[in-house]
Amino acid sequence: ETGVTQSPTHLIKTRGQQVTLRCSSQSGHNTVSWYQQALGQGPQFIFQYYREEENGRGNFPPRFSGLQFPNYSSELNVNALELDDSALYLCASSTTTRDFKETQYFGPGTRLLVL
Amino acid sequence: AQKITQTQPGMFVQEKEAVTLDCTYDTSDPSYGLFWYKQPSSGEMIFLIYQGSYDQQNATEGRYSLNFQKARKSANLVISASQLGDSAMYFCAMREASYGGSQGNLIFGKGTKLSVKP
Repeated sequence: ETGVTQSPTHLIKTRGQQVTLRCSSQSGHNTVSWYQQALGQGPQFIFQYYREEENGRGNFPPRFSGLQFPNYSSELNVNALELDDSALYLCASSTTTRDFKETQYFGPGTRLLVL
Repeated sequence: AQKITQTQPGMFVQEKEAVTLDCTYDTSDPSYGLFWYKQPSSGEMIFLIYQGSYDQQNATEGRYSLNFQKARKSANLVISASQLGDSAMYFCAMREASYGGSQGNLIFGKGTKLSVKP
């Protein structure tokens, strides 16, 4: 196990609602990245947080937002849910954002279904 | 343009045999890292092995080895002595040193589903 935890494990929402997903990083890690994995696809980068600041963002609209807290835990918020937001949401923690060699360690994911 | 290509949607291998999962990548950055992850049906991405663009030797981690051919831009994963527990999705991923607007992100392929037969 990586020590990265996510909650909840599963979630069902209806279109237009808002959702908050949570991630607790591995001890000693100060960087959290969020990914969306649609069915049958590889994960797609949403954004990354480093020391409580957004440190990079993929091709996702502003209704996807996040927070990182002083203890390095993190939240992913999605507003105005759409059917296509149904996916597995993965968070990954690492020790630094500056080194391309740094390995990211993933949590078990949250499966979101939007009806 | 697709940065990571995994051309094998599914693979079968007999238990105790070796299997190679293909991965090709595209980058103009001279500095990059290549990663392989395993994803069981439970969903968690499990890190397997890492290869850096400047590493002279192919990476090995237990039963996993990476066949890195830089000129061909390929980074194939070799699993020796397959076990039933190896049945899972396998993803190849890359991180470039010049991150641009997406600092630190991994770029994933679409994955290969490996099934190990008893």
